Parts: sequence; C-alpha cells; structure tokens
Amino acid sequence: DGGITQSPKYLFRKEGQNVTLSCEQNLNHDAMYWYRQDPGQGLRLIYYSQIVNDFQKGDIAEGYSVSREKKESFPLTVTSAQKNPTAFYLCASSTRATGVNEKLFFGSGTQLSVL
Amino acid sequence: GEDVEQSLFLSVREGDSSVINCTYTDSSSTYLYWYKQEPGAGLQLLTYIFSNMDMKQDQRLTVLLNKKDKHLSLRIADTQTGDSAIYFCAETVDSSASKIIFGSGTRLSIRP
Repeated sequence: DGGITQSPKYLFRKEGQNVTLSCEQNLNHDAMYWYRQDPGQGLRLIYYSQIVNDFQKGDIAEGYSVSREKKESFPLTVTSAQKNPTAFYLCASSTRATGVNEKLFFGSGTQLSVL
Repeated sequence: GEDVEQSLFLSVREGDSSVINCTYTDSSSTYLYWYKQEPGAGLQLLTYIFSNMDMKQDQRLTVLLNKKDKHLSLRIADTQTGDSAIYFCAETVDSSASKIIFGSGTRLSIRP
C-alpha cells in the first residue's frame, strides 16, 4: 500500500543532543513537508521541499535542518539550538501540479520529548 | 496576515448532528479544507471546497461556505463514536500546499 511512514513513533532527546526524525513516502510525490503540532495550536510549517536537492524554510525553521537527497525521503534534524523541541512532528507529501489543488497526505507522526 | 480560527471543543450526543465552525481572514482564499486527526495519528483530508462554491455534500458530511462572512462550517450527520477526533479547518490562497494555513483544531467528543 502507498503511504507515508514516519519513525520512530516516540523519541527522547537529551540536552545538547541532535536527533533525526525519519519520513519516507512511496506515493511518488514530488513535494514533502514537516509540520510541528503543539497542544491547542494549529500546524506550523517548519521546512518543505518541492523537488529533490532543494528545500525552503517554513514559518518556524530556526533550530531545525533537513535534507532531500532522494525523492522518497525527507529527514528532519532537531538541533540543540531548538530550545523547546517537545512537540508532535508531522510529515506530509503532495503532488505538484500548477493550478491544481495540492492535497496533503500525512504520516502518523513522531512525538518528541526532552529528557 | 492570514488567520484561521476555530473553537477548541465541541460535545454532542451520539446520533445528533455536529456542526464545527471556522472563520478565516483572507478574502482571497481559493481552497478551504477540513482535516480529521484521530488520537496519536496524522491528519486525514475529509473534504475540501473551492471558493466559488457555497455547499458541498459527501455522504454524512456537509460543508457550507459563506464568503461574505468568511465562515466555513462542517456538519456531520448522525454523529457516531468513531467521529471522535480533532477537526482542523485550513485554507490556502493558491493551490500550493506550502501555503496552507491551519486552524487550531476543534476537539469533537461524543456522549452516549
């Protein structure tokens, strides 16, 4: 079945540590996205990539980094510079077609907590 | 800037209709969406409406759009326990998914 897989489901970070969240899709989608979800708030866009080897900052990119070396994969690294990393992280993907409604397909999320 | 607002909680009795409301600020919004999030899971697109439409119906779901008041609603008929979730309203000013703005979500709980 086609879909988006995020791993791990739960992740713990120690002070000063970088951690990487995995996101893989087999939907053949060009675009991929990382969102952060905090309780009682909407989703906020961290980074997105519309094509391999290219990505753009979203609204809250500080303290995060990404890479897009393969179409299927868009890992997110939460660096030690992110002082409040505890949140639910969602990866999404979409097709890209000019003028056509680009619907988002989401993974099941990773809950990151600080030890 | 753009903003999407929703009330945080809604409680309805099983079998009744649920109406979840949303207001948005950008009058140039082209697509408006409703997403559903079950506990510990990602978001699932339920339905969407193009800005030149007033209403869209899909089985138990009815979406109403009032462009003049910038108000969007989602009605769920015959609400079931499986409808318990957080419902997110979202809008975009163009077709690009990178421009989608999400509301804070409405948690729908069902009482027997």
